[in-house]
Amino acid sequence: QQQVKQSPQSLIVQKGGISIINCAYENTAFDYFPWYQQFPGKGPALLIAIRPDVSEKKEGRFTISFNKSAKQFSLHIMDSQPGDSATYFCAAPTTSGTYKYIFGTGTRLKVLA
Amino acid sequence: GAVVSQHPSWVICKSGTSVKIECRSLDFQATTMFWYRQFPKQSLMLMATSNEGSKATYEQGVEKDKFLINHASLTLSTLTVTSAHPEDSSFYICSASWGYEQYFGPGTRLTVT
Repeated sequence: QQQVKQSPQSLIVQKGGISIINCAYENTAFDYFPWYQQFPGKGPALLIAIRPDVSEKKEGRFTISFNKSAKQFSLHIMDSQPGDSATYFCAAPTTSGTYKYIFGTGTRLKVLA
Repeated sequence: GAVVSQHPSWVICKSGTSVKIECRSLDFQATTMFWYRQFPKQSLMLMATSNEGSKATYEQGVEKDKFLINHASLTLSTLTVTSAHPEDSSFYICSASWGYEQYFGPGTRLTVT
């Protein structure tokens, strides 16, 4: 069964520090890799996504790094803030070709003030 | 980003009754909508994929007669949990697809007593 391996499971970072979350995927039907941010009791919100015609995408304090040959991608949160404390999910397309995604197991980030 | 709504945000029902959850894409027409289930501190589990005007496609292990999905228009999909039991208590989240991008609703907390 197709899987997306996400690590670490939890992460504690000091305010102003860098948070790094990694994901590894298997074969996909197309190349589009999003990250979602979820607060308790809320639905996931699309945070940032990358198409692998580039190896990196940056939006504000959030950066995705992508390594197609290794089938890995990561989320970097620069200058982490207490408001960034949430659960982060990576996702990778399935092999079915119907815009379905497999989600990682999630990373619970806590940023200390 | 695109907005997806869900109604109700939470519902409590008695065992044996049915519950309907609505998912609407408010500012775009969604080619495909998805229904997920999420248990506490776990990842998103895809239940089914629905396309407007056609039968939903259910993931392996999901009972199609228990979780009825209707995709009446490009902006509305409904999930009906029939003959609900306490083990159906969960957080149900829909998403609407706009090409590669998938936007999630705020979720519905279902508690079956």
